[in-house]
Amino acid sequence: QKEVEQNSGPLSVPEGAIASLNCTYSDRVSQSFFWYRQYSGKSPELIMSIYSNGDKEDGRFTAQLNKASQYVSLLIRDSQPSDSATYLCAVGGGLSGGYQKVTFGTGTKLQVIP
Amino acid sequence: SAVISQKPSRDICQRGTSLTIQCQVDSQVTMMFWYRQQPGQSLTLIATANQGSEATYESGFVIDKFPISRPNLTFSTLTVSNMSPEDSSIYLCSVRIAPYEQYFGPGTRLTVT
Repeated sequence: QKEVEQNSGPLSVPEGAIASLNCTYSDRVSQSFFWYRQYSGKSPELIMSIYSNGDKEDGRFTAQLNKASQYVSLLIRDSQPSDSATYLCAVGGGLSGGYQKVTFGTGTKLQVIP
Repeated sequence: SAVISQKPSRDICQRGTSLTIQCQVDSQVTMMFWYRQQPGQSLTLIATANQGSEATYESGFVIDKFPISRPNLTFSTLTVSNMSPEDSSIYLCSVRIAPYEQYFGPGTRLTVT
C-alpha cells in the first residue's frame, strides 16, 4: 500500500464545473496535509494546506480533511482552462521518518475543457 | 513562503562528468531537501540537508554519487557525479517553512548524453 495514493487521471471537467481531486493516506497519525499544483515543465507550487478536520476555503479552492477516513480532497470551483495541471497531494507529520517527513503522492492530472 | 533560486536552470552534460547544482533561498531555513523528478513521474526525495550536519540520504541514493553541501542557512549544493544517461532528470531544491510547508525552487533540467 502506497503511503499517499491519488488517481493519476486524467480527470477531465468542463470549464465552469467543479473539479474534485481525492487523496488517501496510510499513516493514521499524520498531522499536516497539502495540495500542490504543478504545470507541465514547472516546479510544484503550494496552493493549500490543512491541519484539522473539516473544510478550508481559499478563493475557488476548498481543501477537505477527514482524518477518521484518512482522506483529503481538493475542490476547485468554476474550473478554468488555466487550472489544467497535475495536482500533488502531500502528507506530513506522521510516524514515518520520525515526524519530519512529508510524503508526496504521484499526482492527478486535471484537464479543464473549454 | 520563500523565494528560491537554482543554478543552472538546465544543462547538457557528457557521460562520466559531474554537475553541481546551486540552491539559494532568500531567508534562513533549517531544512532543505533535494528531489529528483523524471518526466511524467512524481517527486523522489534524494536527501535532506540540514545546516551543521551531514546530509541524510534516502534509500537508493548515496553520498559518493550525490554529494551535498550546506554551508549556511540560505545555501546548498547538490553534485551529480560520474553521470550516466539514467541521471537525466529534473532536480529540485525545496525548503521547509514551519511547521511542514515546503516550497520548491524552479528546478534544474539535466540531460546526460
